[in-house]
Amino acid sequence: EIVLTQSPGTLSLSPGERATLSCRASQSVSSIYLAWYQQKPGQAPRLLIYGASSRATGIPDRFSGGGSGTDFTLTISRLEPEDFAVYYCQQYRSSLWTFGQGTKVEIK
Amino acid sequence: QVQLVQSGAELKKPGASVRVSCKTSGYIFTGYYMHWVRQAPGQGLEWMGRINPNNGDTNYAQKFQGRVTINSDTSISTAYMELNRLRSDDTAVYYCAASEVDGYWGQGTLITVSS
Repeated sequence: EIVLTQSPGTLSLSPGERATLSCRASQSVSSIYLAWYQQKPGQAPRLLIYGASSRATGIPDRFSGGGSGTDFTLTISRLEPEDFAVYYCQQYRSSLWTFGQGTKVEIK
Repeated sequence: QVQLVQSGAELKKPGASVRVSCKTSGYIFTGYYMHWVRQAPGQGLEWMGRINPNNGDTNYAQKFQGRVTINSDTSISTAYMELNRLRSDDTAVYYCAASEVDGYWGQGTLITVSS
């Protein structure tokens, strides 16, 4: 099983700042099988990025993903008030899923 | 539009079983695996397993092997997840989800296990 470790656990930032979230895999993951989700309280997760760097339908271009092998990042270029939430990375190789433990982006 | 509509919240006693349904519309049901993911209160996302609606093939996370059953009825585009021998730590919101690149998710079903 591929284990995903996200860091930091919590990121305290102000609106307008840049957020960089990290996801490290226990073994190499093809970038085509890496996704990022956003989740707000009481809501289902929302797909942001798939294939490590492709934005899902309707996702603003301030969200970008990158990385390869075992190290992946999600960048939010300028935080908007609605971006404060929990973010999860996910790998879906062979359509067998695992998730990271999440990074909470909170208002400083 | 794509919809995954799950059955309602349930309260169960320890040792009981629960079955959650996920009725889909707006996409070809057999076009994607259907996955089940759960989230305990205040915790992260945990993948439970998946089904290929085309042939009924399933894969389960090792943690749930022997206790979970996922099946589907293609005639009504609906998937089901049954969890047996419930414990208090099975209290969680259970989600169905399809398509890693489109991100189709149900609204979630709260299952509470309590005596």
